[in-house]
Amino acid sequence: EVQLVESGGGLIQPGGSLRLSCAASGFTVSSDYMTWVRQAPGKGLEWVSAVHRNGDTFYADSVKGRFTISRDNSNNTLYLQMNGLRGGDTAVYYCARKAGSGWLFDYWGQGTLVTVSS
Amino acid sequence: EIVMTQSPATLSVSPGERATLSCRASQSVRSNLAWYQQKPGQAPRLLIYGASTRATGIPARFSGSGSGTEFTLTISSLQSEDFAVYYCQQYNNWPLTFGGGTKVEIK
Repeated sequence: EVQLVESGGGLIQPGGSLRLSCAASGFTVSSDYMTWVRQAPGKGLEWVSAVHRNGDTFYADSVKGRFTISRDNSNNTLYLQMNGLRGGDTAVYYCARKAGSGWLFDYWGQGTLVTVSS
Repeated sequence: EIVMTQSPATLSVSPGERATLSCRASQSVRSNLAWYQQKPGQAPRLLIYGASTRATGIPARFSGSGSGTEFTLTISSLQSEDFAVYYCQQYNNWPLTFGGGTKVEIK
């Protein structure tokens, strides 16, 4: 059974850094295509970043240069390193796995809340 | 960036009635369009991909249509569990983009 469990969220001051984790089971992260999507409180979904199975990475303009997506094959985990955090980054962050055809997503984690505030 | 516009923002429907949700893309996304359902406190759930193909386990009352820039999600007879927010997402171009959502509420 495919499962995704995010962790690492919390309250962080503007300018700070945080690393989110997404522990996967039921499939191999390094052999698949993964993404991070966020949702600000009371707002819609916003795509953040993605990693291709070949290692290519993609970022939304709003986070490019500040966020880094990566994978750890040894513990089957996806990460999102977030630096230079801003108030606009406050959101629930979801990791998700790409479905079979195209960059759409069939399995999602439960999300982890990141709050950027002084 | 392709902008996805959903309408209406809120749709009030009685149980058993039909609901029609629209999604418009600022440029063609061919059939690379997905629909998701999200309930409060939950992650999104994939409903439709390829504009019209139901995902695994999705009831037949959900159907999608359209191509290019105009898309529709239809729920033929609303059940109590269908009251939720629905998002469209294009995956034809980077960056991936979502619509702003349509909330389907009980009338």
